[in-house]
Amino acid sequence: QVQLQESGPGLVKPSETLSLSCTVSGASVSSDRHYWSWIRQPPGKGLEWIADISYTGSTKYNPSLGGRPTISVDTSKNQFSLTLASLTAADTAVYYCARGPRITGTPLDWYFDLWGRGTLVTVSS
Amino acid sequence: EIVLTQSPGVLSLSPGERATLSCRASQSIPISYLAWYQQKPGQAPRLLIYGASSRAAGIPDRFMDGGSGTDFTLTISRLEPEDFAVYYCQQHVGSPRTFGQGTKLEIK
Repeated sequence: QVQLQESGPGLVKPSETLSLSCTVSGASVSSDRHYWSWIRQPPGKGLEWIADISYTGSTKYNPSLGGRPTISVDTSKNQFSLTLASLTAADTAVYYCARGPRITGTPLDWYFDLWGRGTLVTVSS
Repeated sequence: EIVLTQSPGVLSLSPGERATLSCRASQSIPISYLAWYQQKPGQAPRLLIYGASSRAAGIPDRFMDGGSGTDFTLTISRLEPEDFAVYYCQQHVGSPRTFGQGTKLEIK
């Protein structure tokens, strides 16, 4: 059974950089059958896709975040990670890691078939 | 960026009734590029439907999608107590992928 588990600090100060990791169990982040993503949800609000990365290391980012996020993979730990720079209070959210299928290699695959439980990140001084 | 608008914001129904949730896109998209998720309090979203009526593993057949162009629906044919949750649509025809703001399905 494949599981995703987020980890990271619960509280970060404004202007600092957030670092989150997602540990994958039951599957390999090196697999060509999936891609790996980060999505966030501010308290009481909707979902926002942040970024994803494929087994080739190819990345995609949401332009609304202005170049602040960076997604990467650590195959030795079977993890993928997100850094988000220049934090403000608007970045307070539950951050989810998620998996998507890689079947056609086209946007047909760009949905999320498995999610982690999420981790709450609060940006406050 | 494609904007998805879900309605109603809150839908109050009783178990056994039929629920119809709407998702309207700011531009035409093929239904194959629309997915639906269910989220219960304190839990992560769960994939329900993707790729034009394909149900994710373990999703019962009372969940059905429909629509075309800019107007899409998620129909739950006969509500069970466990179906009361928030539902999101998501488009993936282009980047960035975007979600609707959600419809809360609550017990009447």
